[in-house]
Amino acid sequence: GAVVSQHPSWVICKSGTSVKIECRSLDFQATTMFWYRQFPKQSLMLMATSNEGSKATYEQGVEKDKFLINHASLTLSTLTVTSAHPEDSSFYICSGSGTGGGYEQYFGPGTRLTVT
Amino acid sequence: KNQVEQSPQSLIILEGKNCTLQCNYTVSPFSNLRWYKQDTGRGPVSLTIMTFSENTKSNGRYTATLDADTKQSSLHITASQLSDSASYICVVRVGYAGGTSYGKLTFGQGTILTVHP
Repeated sequence: GAVVSQHPSWVICKSGTSVKIECRSLDFQATTMFWYRQFPKQSLMLMATSNEGSKATYEQGVEKDKFLINHASLTLSTLTVTSAHPEDSSFYICSGSGTGGGYEQYFGPGTRLTVT
Repeated sequence: KNQVEQSPQSLIILEGKNCTLQCNYTVSPFSNLRWYKQDTGRGPVSLTIMTFSENTKSNGRYTATLDADTKQSSLHITASQLSDSASYICVVRVGYAGGTSYGKLTFGQGTILTVHP
């Protein structure tokens, strides 16, 4: 099946700093990428959907100025958490969908963010 | 409101035993239903995907069933192994007539399965 990677797998940052998470589709072109966050013992919650070359569409309640999403190519999307706070600590998962992957969403392994 | 509910919330079984996880959904219009396995600290991995016309689908020791009339699905795991310990998530995709929700995934809360030796 199609493979999606994320980098880094875990990151610790200080409150007030920004952190960038990369999501790459390794063997297919992801025309659409999705970003989710998951708190302990809870299910995935969709944060935003991005189509390559377009602005991301954010779900209700997600601050677009805080969670900056870039999807500049068919194989790379980035999520930047700006001015991170401890409450932003979470597990962030991306998924990709598109040509070669059909309409199936293929999930990355996730990035654990801890803000101290 | 589109929802997916899973039961039980958690389950403990002995290695080698079978178990069945349940999923009820109210997602409409329906496109497909997927079962994922999510190990702790990892992303979800697809086990099965079923469309409206499919009643059952197997993937090794995993067998999923779908009753589109009652909007229920189950995931049966046979001869459980220690490596089956994980969260199992039922996910339903919104169908074409869903307007702006088309293609979106609705996630269940998951069933945490623990397999003991």
